[in-house]
Amino acid sequence: SQTIHQWPATLVQPVGSPLSLECTVEGTSNPNLYWYRQAAGRGLQLLFYSVGIGQISSEVPQNLSASRPQDRQFILSSKKLLLSDSGFYLCAWRARWGSDEQFFGPGTRLTVL
Amino acid sequence: AQKITQTQPGMFVQEKEAVTLDCTYDTSDPSYGLFWYKQPSSGEMIFLIYQGSYDQQNATEGRYSLNFQKARKSANLVISASQLGDSAMYFCAMREGGYSSGSARQLTFGSGTQLTVLP
Repeated sequence: SQTIHQWPATLVQPVGSPLSLECTVEGTSNPNLYWYRQAAGRGLQLLFYSVGIGQISSEVPQNLSASRPQDRQFILSSKKLLLSDSGFYLCAWRARWGSDEQFFGPGTRLTVL
Repeated sequence: AQKITQTQPGMFVQEKEAVTLDCTYDTSDPSYGLFWYKQPSSGEMIFLIYQGSYDQQNATEGRYSLNFQKARKSANLVISASQLGDSAMYFCAMREGGYSSGSARQLTFGSGTQLTVLP
């Protein structure tokens, strides 16, 4: 069966520090991968998606970036965090073909101080 | 314009009763899919149910059913026999467009409804 991992689970970082969040998927090949952010009490905002290694599409302009160095690895990064980057970050995967459902990881709660 | 609208920020229901969570959508694409996810306080997003735009019958999954009214562009979630464990945030989401090679088929989410089941 497929599983999706995210780490760390919780992170507290000072403004201006770098960020690296990692997401890995097991049990599937060639997945579509997604990064979402959820502000407190709000819905999900799609940040990035990837249909293959090295292929990244950005949905909103921001100081975050994403990379996909391996088929089942998706990384969210920032060189300098802003206070507004605080939130709950969710990684999701979807099978390239077949059903439409996206399956989410456990999330990373980021607080920027 | 909002693509997914959930007009109920919060809902309360008595245990063992049914509850309907509203969702309306906006798209001009004839091919689309509608999803409901549950998010407990732990934060994980749990897929509940899916309805395709061409599906003739309303989707059902156990105690969950989707009341799909295409002409009204609504896709309400019905939870029958509510349980205390159903207390969570519920999100409606939509995928626009049909299959195409390499398509990301990303989802657009509504703002959610916080459901509280009362004992």
